[in-house]
Amino acid sequence: RKEVEQDPGPFNVPEGATVAFNCTYSNSASQSFFWYRQDCRKEPKLLMSVYSSGNEDGRFTAQLNRASQYISLLIRDSKLSDSATYLCVGYDRGSTLGRLYFGRGTQLTVWP
Amino acid sequence: NAGVTQTPKFQVLKTGQSMTLQCAQDMNHNSMYWYRQDPGMGLRLIYYSASEGTTDKGEVPNGYNVSRLNKREFSLRLESAAPSQTSVYFCASTPRMRTGDQPQHFGDGTRLSIL
Repeated sequence: RKEVEQDPGPFNVPEGATVAFNCTYSNSASQSFFWYRQDCRKEPKLLMSVYSSGNEDGRFTAQLNRASQYISLLIRDSKLSDSATYLCVGYDRGSTLGRLYFGRGTQLTVWP
Repeated sequence: NAGVTQTPKFQVLKTGQSMTLQCAQDMNHNSMYWYRQDPGMGLRLIYYSASEGTTDKGEVPNGYNVSRLNKREFSLRLESAAPSQTSVYFCASTPRMRTGDQPQHFGDGTRLSIL
């Protein structure tokens, strides 16, 4: 079982819609989480870090629920430019590698 | 500021051929990583280098070798390419490992096809 699991989608939503992605993680020791965005045939880029209290950046809101071991990303007022794959990423500082674990990604397509 | 630079961007090999993927970063980062990305599999860590002079295996090291040539450069070598190694390869770097709030900076990727 992967450390981080995501619904691969695809999610197809109209412009202006609100869409939410969830991600679950198996390692309760995971200490930090991130959402990365990856455009088609491009490299992943950091979108947001995820804090326990939840954090918001414009139209994007990320939340962490440690009790249920899931992370969420909410996108409001979707734009065509939001079409991409969103990667959920966990970090386990206590692991031997102290490295990141990437989910398989959730594909989002926003249509006009 | 180039960030992380990978070469080549595309490569086609025949089974059994060898090649080296190059990666260089100009951000003075200590830690560097090689990933492969396959459809439906997400990013999988091949090898990493926590600091200059050290390298360690990741999740899927078989069939690969790495060299941390200096602080800037981290190369990935396929000694005898196999069709199963057809993938997109990403190099990444971070200031150092064990700092969970540091984002990984990725190169543009190398698209490798093995026939």
